[in-house]
Amino acid sequence: GQQLNQSPQSMFIQEGEDVSMNCTSSSIFNTWLWYKQDPGEGPVLLIALYKAGELTSNGRLTAQFGITRKDSFLNISASIPSDVGIYFCAGHNGTTTDSWGKLQFGAGTQVVVTP
Amino acid sequence: NAGVTQTPKFRILKIGQSMTLQCTQDMNHNYMYWYRQDPGMGLKLIYYSVGAGITDKGEVPNGYNVSRSTTEDFPLRLELAAPSQTSVYFCASRPPVGGEQYFGPGTRLTVT
Repeated sequence: GQQLNQSPQSMFIQEGEDVSMNCTSSSIFNTWLWYKQDPGEGPVLLIALYKAGELTSNGRLTAQFGITRKDSFLNISASIPSDVGIYFCAGHNGTTTDSWGKLQFGAGTQVVVTP
Repeated sequence: NAGVTQTPKFRILKIGQSMTLQCTQDMNHNYMYWYRQDPGMGLKLIYYSVGAGITDKGEVPNGYNVSRSTTEDFPLRLELAAPSQTSVYFCASRPPVGGEQYFGPGTRLTVT
C-alpha cells in the first residue's frame, strides 16, 4: 500500500529559529494537508493544498505541494514556544469529490522549542 | 458550532469488556471517520461512513464495529476489549467537497 514518509522525526530548536519538515509519498496525491496536535488534543488543520506547485501561507506557516505531487513541505518561521507539538502531514489520492476521502498520515514530527 | 465532540475522554477497560465510544458532529458533514493513534505513530483508519446507513472498513477494522443511523452520530463499538486496543481514538468529519477532515479531542482507552 501507499506509504507516507515524514521527516525529521523530531526537532529541538531555539525560539526564533525557522523549522522545516517534509513528507514524501510512494504515490501521487491530489491533496496535501498539514495538521498540528497539542498534547491531549486532536489534530488541528493548519494548511490545505490542492494543486501541484501551490505555495500557501498561514501566518508564520508556509506549506508547498510538490511539483511531482509526491511530496510536500511545511516551514515555520521565527518559532515561538507555543509552536511545540506534533505536526502531521496527510495526503489524499482521490479527487476532491472522491466519495470516501480517505487520508494517509505521516508518523509526525515532534517539535520542541527552547527559550 | 461545537464541531466534533467525543465521549468519554478517558476510559479503562478490563480484557473482554465492551464499550461504545461516542462521536457527534454539528456541522452537517456527510463523511465521518474513526482513527486510532498509537505512540509515535500516525493515525490509522478503523472505519468510515459517507452518510447515514453507509459504513465501510478502513485499514484496521478488526475488533471494532460501527453504525451510522443519523448524520450527526457515528459511534464506535468494541465488543471484546483486548490489550492491543489500548490507544487514543479520534473521530473526524468532513464536508462533501474538499479534503479537509476535522477532528474531535480524542478518547484515551486503556485495556488491562
